Amino acid sequence: NAGVMQNPRHLVRRRGQEARLRCSPMKGHSHVYWYRQLPEEGLKFMVYLQKENIIDESGMPKERFSAEFPKEGPSILRIQQVVRGDSAAYFCASSQHTGNTEAFFGQGTRLTVV
Amino acid sequence: KNEVEQSPQNLTAQEGEFITINCSYSVGISALHWLQQHPGGGIVSLFMLSSGKKKHGRLIATINIQEKHSSLHITASHPRDSAVYICAPHGGSNYKLTFGKGTLLTVNP
Repeated sequence: NAGVMQNPRHLVRRRGQEARLRCSPMKGHSHVYWYRQLPEEGLKFMVYLQKENIIDESGMPKERFSAEFPKEGPSILRIQQVVRGDSAAYFCASSQHTGNTEAFFGQGTRLTVV
Repeated sequence: KNEVEQSPQNLTAQEGEFITINCSYSVGISALHWLQQHPGGGIVSLFMLSSGKKKHGRLIATINIQEKHSSLHITASHPRDSAVYICAPHGGSNYKLTFGKGTLLTVNP
C-alpha cells in the first residue's frame, strides 16, 4: 500500500495560470480531504469529497477553486488564474470511513506563484 | 480567540530529555489527532485518541475530554524527533479537523 500520493510535490506557476494538484488516496479509501497550509499559518480545511461527490466545500474560496474526485483516477484540486496569495502547501488526506477513523496524509504539494 | 491553543510554540531540548507539548481546545470534540510535520515534509498522523492514553514507542499521548486538554510526551528525545507537532481535534467527522498552529521542536545532539 503506497499511502496517499500527491503530485507534483512542487509546482511553480505564473500569476494568471492554472494549477492542478493531484491526490491518489490509499487503496480502499473513498473519502478524500484537502487542506491548505499558508506560510506561517496552521492547516485549514478546504473540501471533503467522496467518490464523485463533494460533501463539504465550506472551506474552499468561492472563486477560482474547484475540486473533484471522479469514479476513476485521482482527486484533483484546481486553481484557476492563480495569484501570489495562493502560494501555500496543499495537503490531501484520505480515510476508509468518516467519523472517528484515522486519516492518512500525503506529502503535500507546494505551490509557488511567481 | 483560537479554538486550539498549543504550548509552547517553540521548544529546544537536549538529546535524551523528556518533552511535553500541550494542547487546549474550546470546541466539543469526539477525538483528537496528534500530527508530525518535518520541515518541508509531509504530515504523519502519530495518534488519534478519544480518551485516556496511547503509547507508541517513545511517544505517549494523553487526553482529558472533560478538561479539554491533551498532551504529547516524548521520552528520551532524539535529534530525529525535531519537527513541528500539530494538535488537531475533531467533532465527529474526520474532515472537520481544527488545527493548532503547531509546536516547533528542536532536539540538539
